[in-house]
Amino acid sequence: ILNVEQSPQSLHVQEGDSTNFTCSFPSSNFYALHWYRWETAKSPEALFVMTLNGDEKKKGRISATLNTKEGYSYLYIKGSQPEDSATYLCAPAHNAGNMLTFGGGTRLMVKP
Amino acid sequence: DAGVIQSPRHEVTEMGQEVTLRCKPISGHNSLFWYRQTMMRGLELLIYFNNNVPIDDSGMPEDRFSAKMPNASFSTLKIQPSEPRDSAVYFCASSLREGRSEQFFGPGTRLTVL
Repeated sequence: ILNVEQSPQSLHVQEGDSTNFTCSFPSSNFYALHWYRWETAKSPEALFVMTLNGDEKKKGRISATLNTKEGYSYLYIKGSQPEDSATYLCAPAHNAGNMLTFGGGTRLMVKP
Repeated sequence: DAGVIQSPRHEVTEMGQEVTLRCKPISGHNSLFWYRQTMMRGLELLIYFNNNVPIDDSGMPEDRFSAKMPNASFSTLKIQPSEPRDSAVYFCASSLREGRSEQFFGPGTRLTVL
């Protein structure tokens, strides 16, 4: 079982604030890093799948970076909106497999 | 495509009863995953299949849990006998068989065992 840590566990921000959170994972045998967005009472939905060290991906106001050598990824949200309120999960895949180990998530709440 | 389909959406049963959860993956996906969401453990993988073959079932809590995938378009997760501590939301997800392919989650089955 991989040790995947996400911090902070929860975050309250004001509408318009920019925010970021961290995912840490074992760097050995790294294959891919997934980010998912999970709204309350819904199902997780994929945001990004990242594979290369130094990779940066962007979708609208959300972006992510990846450091495979030290085993971490950052997710950034620029100008948070109430609809960004969700739990953000990261999940690495190792050894060229498609089995993911999910972190505990960062719960983001954006106040209007 | 309708996405990943799970049934039932809600199940309430009594301790000791058999429970069967069903999943239809997205057509063309050759990997299927069963997850359980609990407050204590978050989202944990129970078992996954590649091309209908179980690859890793180390997350299955105990012998009361079993999963099958008789064909590419259908999978079941069975709990027999069920216990109150099995109460959770069970998600099925599917993807292409490649670690860089995103997983698509079904709506989940909320199981309550009284």
